[in-house]
Amino acid sequence: AQSVAQPEDQVNVAEGNPLTVKCTYSVSGNPYLFWYVQYPNRGLQFLLKYITGDNLVKGSYGFEAEFNKSQTSFHLKKPSALVSDSALYFCAVRDVYAGNNRKLIWGLGTSLAVNP
Amino acid sequence: EAGVTQFPSHSVIEKGQTVTLRCDPISGHDNLYWYRRVMGKEIKFLLHFVKESKQDESGMPNNRFLAERTGGTYSTLKVQPAELEDSGVYFCASSLWTGWGDTEAFFGQGTRLTVV
Repeated sequence: AQSVAQPEDQVNVAEGNPLTVKCTYSVSGNPYLFWYVQYPNRGLQFLLKYITGDNLVKGSYGFEAEFNKSQTSFHLKKPSALVSDSALYFCAVRDVYAGNNRKLIWGLGTSLAVNP
Repeated sequence: EAGVTQFPSHSVIEKGQTVTLRCDPISGHDNLYWYRRVMGKEIKFLLHFVKESKQDESGMPNNRFLAERTGGTYSTLKVQPAELEDSGVYFCASSLWTGWGDTEAFFGQGTRLTVV
């Protein structure tokens, strides 16, 4: 069965420090991987995706993520955190070979708090 | 360009009542998805439309939930009769149909449904 794990409910980091939000996945085939962010009282916003190609993917707001097939991970990173990055982050996966089954499988979310 | 819009943003209804949620996808997006997040749990897929056709409705909880997308434009999700466990945030998303790969899904702000 497909699944996504975000092992940390909350991540705290000081402004200006690098941040990492972890995600591991399980799919039967090859994955499409996504990160979304939800700011307070807002909807889910797309950050970045991995489909194929370069394992390091760059996205919005200075975020990037690295696809690691051997570790089945897709950790979200940013070199220097901003207070405005404080939000709820979701990792999601879809099986490439699922044909017309396009649904995303989601992690529980990780709350990121960036302290001034 | 307008994003995905959902109405209402909040709804509080009594157990046994009926509620209808509406989603207007981004113009030209053939894919339309409904997801739900119950508090403290992961976001879960409900169903997927391609134009007006239900591509996958494997996530619909039971026959109290009815989704429609007449004309392949906006979609409605009706819950009748509502139960306490239906409370949560209902997200709608849309994306372009590309046949194989996928564009990312764009999400609405969600409808927070509370059944009391």
